[in-house]
Amino acid sequence: DVKVTQSSRYLVKRTGEKVFLECVQDMDHENMFWYRQDPGLGLRLIYFSYDVKMKEKGDIPEGYSVSREKKERFSLILESASTNQTSMYLCASSLSTGKGQPQHFGDGTRLSIL
Amino acid sequence: DQQVKQNSPSLSVQEGRISILNCDYTNSMFDYFLWYKKYPAEGPTFLISISSIKDKNEDGRFTVFLNKSAKHLSLHIVPSQPGDSAVYFCAASKKGAQKLVFGQGTRLTINP
Repeated sequence: DVKVTQSSRYLVKRTGEKVFLECVQDMDHENMFWYRQDPGLGLRLIYFSYDVKMKEKGDIPEGYSVSREKKERFSLILESASTNQTSMYLCASSLSTGKGQPQHFGDGTRLSIL
Repeated sequence: DQQVKQNSPSLSVQEGRISILNCDYTNSMFDYFLWYKKYPAEGPTFLISISSIKDKNEDGRFTVFLNKSAKHLSLHIVPSQPGDSAVYFCAASKKGAQKLVFGQGTRLTINP
């Protein structure tokens, strides 16, 4: 079974802080993704990566950056946290072979910015 | 611009009956569709998928139907069980693309 592990389940930070969310997958997947989930808006893609050191912007990249130095690890960085970044953050991974590969999700990090 | 839409935020169904969750899309380039199920405090888990070359895919109690001309898909759960109570997301991907576009989700409640 694929295991996607997010480092924190709950996190409380202050406005202006630099925040790091970490994600690790154990199935040698090429693709990794960061989403945020907000009520009524579903899952929105922030950034994704299809290889080490490669990254592409998703639909809502403003205020975020990412880092992928190793294949199994994908980090989301909030450069200067703001209250509108309070949300549930979900990491996912998938294989690159073929089309329609399901993404496998971690259990999420609920981030509160005060 | 919401390319994948789930217009029903919630649905309540009696145990043992059929649950039908609906999803509409606007982008004709989508060629693969997936359904995910999400319990509170857990990540979404993959449920079932369908390619645009098919109009139906079945897996146990779960069946997904695709109507390409109407740009509509639906998930049928028969019979519905209390453990099916969750939020269901539909998602779509374009040919050759790895990223998914998700709908807003529908909260399904199965009543005993």
